[in-house]
Amino acid sequence: AQSVAQPEDQVNVAEGNPLTVKCTYSVSGNPYLFWYVQYPNRGLQFLLKYITGDNLVKGSYGFEAEFNKSQTSFHLKKPSALVSDSALYFCAVRDIVWGGATNKLIFGTGTLLAVQP
Amino acid sequence: ETGVTQTPRHLVMGMTNKKSLKCEQHLGHNAMYWYKQSAKKPLELMFVYSLEERVENNSVPSRFSPECPNSSHLFLHLHTLQPEDSALYLCASSQDLVADTQYFGPGTRLTVL
Repeated sequence: AQSVAQPEDQVNVAEGNPLTVKCTYSVSGNPYLFWYVQYPNRGLQFLLKYITGDNLVKGSYGFEAEFNKSQTSFHLKKPSALVSDSALYFCAVRDIVWGGATNKLIFGTGTLLAVQP
Repeated sequence: ETGVTQTPRHLVMGMTNKKSLKCEQHLGHNAMYWYKQSAKKPLELMFVYSLEERVENNSVPSRFSPECPNSSHLFLHLHTLQPEDSALYLCASSQDLVADTQYFGPGTRLTVL
């Protein structure tokens, strides 16, 4: 079965410093990987996805993620963190069920990013 | 976040009450989803609808009853809930069942006393 793991419950970083939020995956076949962000009292918002092609994927709000097949990782990164980036971040993998008739997202447990001013 | 709206945003109910959660998507999508989000746990997919037909029910207790009268609206009817059902209930939609990206509503924070 497909799965993702987010090993850190919380990541603390100072404003202006680079940030990394970790995600590892386990899939059979080619992985389709996603990052979503959840701000307080809001629903999840799509940030970026990896389907195929370049290992470095660029997304919204200056975020990017690096797909590493040998390490089965898809870490989320940003060169310079902002206080407004503080939120809950979810990694997800697509699980194809019903012979391809349905895409189902399997989410990780989430990582809380806290950016200190 | 006007793409997918959910009402109410907060709900407190007793174990014997009956209530309903409403979701509406304004994106012209054909697939809609209910998720349960509990603290420190992955999002749990509860139900999937495509063109008003239920295509997945992830072993959800019968005290949760979904309804999809049209492709824009999704309801979750609740009755005789348990305190452990307290959670954030998220609705999402996608273009269709094979679309990669899902769009989420803000959620309904449910507390069962």
